[in-house]
Amino acid sequence: ETGVTQSPTHLIKTRGQQVTLRCSSQSGHNTVSWYQQALGQGPQFIFQYYREEENGRGNFPPRFSGLQFPNYSSELNVNALELDDSALYLCASSLAQRVELFFGEGSRLTVL
Amino acid sequence: SQQGEEDPQALSIQEGENATMNCSYKTSINNLQWYRQNSGRGLVHLILIRSNEREKHSGRLRVTLDTSKKSSSLLITASRAADTASYFCATDKGGANNLFFGTGTRLTVIP
Repeated sequence: ETGVTQSPTHLIKTRGQQVTLRCSSQSGHNTVSWYQQALGQGPQFIFQYYREEENGRGNFPPRFSGLQFPNYSSELNVNALELDDSALYLCASSLAQRVELFFGEGSRLTVL
Repeated sequence: SQQGEEDPQALSIQEGENATMNCSYKTSINNLQWYRQNSGRGLVHLILIRSNEREKHSGRLRVTLDTSKKSSSLLITASRAADTASYFCATDKGGANNLFFGTGTRLTVIP
């Protein structure tokens, strides 16, 4: 059974740039959620995808967008990066109707 | 905003001692979960307790839930140095498809 994998693991961007983070869900999982975790804080829900459709969104501006592909992998895109976007971005997969999440190791984004 | 709040924020104990962490939340829930996170890494699901359950065990873990007080506790018995991590409670807001995490308790187990 393959776990959740995320790429890249670390990246550095400058203010105003755009970034794409990628996630492969655990084998058999059809739901992907993205979370932002600032240093010293708990993860904050960005959005969830189920069957390639957005299935819920947290309190994040539209410059945070995502995609889910037919193989259930997913992307998180952030446009017009701001300094406060520096964080660990976590992807989690799950089975629909199940609330337990399986997390990847995260992508650490630093915005300078 | 965070739905849950853990306390204490940090806890340091000797190996072999028990560790207790508490979580309080604000709204009604279906389930409450506890997750563990090693420094800067992904979260690992530990245990889930449903709103109609009061206590649940898994290995060295014991979780309690008091819905009248909107609080939960996680007890780790006979702690080990490898238990050193941050522990988060997470709640679903009565059927919502996302989890709300607390701010975490950082546990240090001293060998």
